[in-house]
Amino acid sequence: NAGVTQTPKFRVLKTGQSMTLLCAQDMNHEYMYWYRQDPGMGLRLIHYSVGEGTTAKGEVPDGYNVSRLKKQNFLLGLESAAPSQTSVYFCASSDIQGHNSPLHFGNGTRLTVT
Amino acid sequence: AQTVTQSQPEMSVQEAETVTLSCTYDTSESDYYLFWYKQPPSRQMILVIRQEAYKQQNATENRFSVNFQKAAKSFSLKISDSQLGDAAMYFCAYRANSGYALNFGKGTSLLVTP
Repeated sequence: NAGVTQTPKFRVLKTGQSMTLLCAQDMNHEYMYWYRQDPGMGLRLIHYSVGEGTTAKGEVPDGYNVSRLKKQNFLLGLESAAPSQTSVYFCASSDIQGHNSPLHFGNGTRLTVT
Repeated sequence: AQTVTQSQPEMSVQEAETVTLSCTYDTSESDYYLFWYKQPPSRQMILVIRQEAYKQQNATENRFSVNFQKAAKSFSLKISDSQLGDAAMYFCAYRANSGYALNFGKGTSLLVTP
């Protein structure tokens, strides 16, 4: 049982380049999330999805886009990368049965923008 | 927006001793859920313990327990009989019953000394 899988694990981009981070979960969860983690800032929510075909903005959505075309996948896109987007990105998922359901996290993607 | 505050950026404890990590939160909701997550150097986010606000009894998971003070909006984590493997970053998180995502504090880095 893989849980939540993030691809890639590491990436280095130059300013202005674009990329897509892929998140896949095999737990049939309805909810999926993208967070970024920066030193001293904790985890901040970028975007989230409450079901296939739906997305919503989180706390820090600027410069990112997302898509949830399939229930098991949640993609995070950077159209024109900036150094301020250097961070560790976490994908997470949770099921629909109650708000005490914990988030299940992937292992993170370390992105460096030069 | 709800905020979660962890006032201790770093804590240290000797092996076999007890340590308490602090967390306070700000909310106007009456129904919500609280979580503690552990992030070891491997970067994996691991659920430690969770608490439903409507439950007066404090949650316990083996050596981990919480002191939940709803009126004071406080949710501290107590680790008993500390072990070297407990060394990690610990994050407190909040989710309103009306919401979907978790709001995280900035984290407390716990050092365990032999």
